[in-house]
Amino acid sequence: AQSVSQHNHHVILSEAASLELGCNYSYGGTVNLFWYVQYPGQHLQLLLKYFSGDPLVKGIKGFEAEFIKSKFSFNLRKPSVQWSDTAEYFCAVNADRGSTLGRLYFGRGTQLTVWP
Amino acid sequence: GAGVSQSPSNKVTEKGKDVELRCDPISGHTALYWYRQRLGQGLEFLIYFQGNSAPDKSGLPSDRFSAERTGGSVSTLTIQRTQQEDSAVYLCASSLVYQPQHFGDGTRLSIL
Repeated sequence: AQSVSQHNHHVILSEAASLELGCNYSYGGTVNLFWYVQYPGQHLQLLLKYFSGDPLVKGIKGFEAEFIKSKFSFNLRKPSVQWSDTAEYFCAVNADRGSTLGRLYFGRGTQLTVWP
Repeated sequence: GAGVSQSPSNKVTEKGKDVELRCDPISGHTALYWYRQRLGQGLEFLIYFQGNSAPDKSGLPSDRFSAERTGGSVSTLTIQRTQQEDSAVYLCASSLVYQPQHFGDGTRLSIL
């Protein structure tokens, strides 16, 4: 079975600090990778996704993530965080079956708190 | 446009009672998923419907849990004889084929 590990449960940063959230997965086949974000009081929203092609993907709000296949990693980065980035971030993976996406395997989430 | 709609948003019930949770997916989305999130844990897959195919029920934790999707649209997740460990946020998501999932706000279920 696939599993997803997020290394940090809670990250606290000051505004303008750089952010990197770790995500590792266990699955030997072709995968699709996602980062979702949940702002306080809101539903889960897609931040960015990787299906194929350039392993460096850019998402909304200045976030990016890099897929490193050899390390089974898909770390999320942002060069300068803002107070409004305070949220919970979830890494998710599913197996690429070519025609459908199927179930997602989620990490436990990382709560990011940004102090103004 | 309208997103995934779930009802009720909150449900409090006594242990042993049955509950039904509803999900209205985004119009036209052929895939529908149920997940749950218990306190301090990640999202846990429950069941997945794709078009007219047989659902993937591999994540249902016990035979007290069941789900159906009528007419390829609305889905109902039913939990019979609820237990305290069923307390969680139940999330529904929908998607087009080969597209990311869109999530609803969830139903917060509390079992007394």
